[in-house]
Amino acid sequence: SYVLTQPPSVTVAPGQTARIPCGGNNIGGKVVHWYQQKPGQGPVLVVYEDSDRPSGIPARFSGSNSGNTATLTITRVEAGDEADYFCQVWDHSSDQPYVFGLGTKVTVL
Amino acid sequence: QITLKESGPTLVKPTQTLTLTCNFAGFSLTTSGVGVGWFRQPPEKPLEWLALIYWDDDKRYRPSLKNRLTVSKDTSKNQVVLSMTDMDPMDTATYFCAYRAPSDGPPTTWFDPWGQGTLVIVSS
Repeated sequence: SYVLTQPPSVTVAPGQTARIPCGGNNIGGKVVHWYQQKPGQGPVLVVYEDSDRPSGIPARFSGSNSGNTATLTITRVEAGDEADYFCQVWDHSSDQPYVFGLGTKVTVL
Repeated sequence: QITLKESGPTLVKPTQTLTLTCNFAGFSLTTSGVGVGWFRQPPEKPLEWLALIYWDDDKRYRPSLKNRLTVSKDTSKNQVVLSMTDMDPMDTATYFCAYRAPSDGPPTTWFDPWGQGTLVIVSS
């Protein structure tokens, strides 16, 4: 089955930019979604279809996808952005099509 | 506003059957294209998709667990129920249900919103 690779952690200072990569074989040919998860809570969709934002998600959250890496970018990071972020793709060729990355813990200094 | 909430036992003994209920509001599972998915998140492991039930009662399961899973819906109660037989300590995880929106074009491949999750511990 398809495998998504994420770094375990990213550390960023308030006001700076966090970039969270999600690696996969030719992931640029797939559609990527991103979720934010805080302790004790369910995941929250922050970017869908590579770069679209659901209503209510700040414009500080953006996504891109090309080649073998998709990236979630958070600009002007705030303390409230501290959370786990994980990517998800839909692998139409698989019989277990919803694939998730392990997640990246974003720590705000 | 769409909300979902999972409920069920926190502690299950090995070999027992787990039954989880997802109570939802803000949508109907009779609306064309709507689906509800079940997922789990074992400690220190990625989320795993388990099952998906559609408005038309079409059901999909994770192949490796297909023989142990059953998903059903009760549209009058706005509930989706997931059963998993022969529970094992490896099934210890937080279990989530989530909403899959309909689409006029290509099918929706993300889930939003999600419930808060319910922790299930399998231990004797």
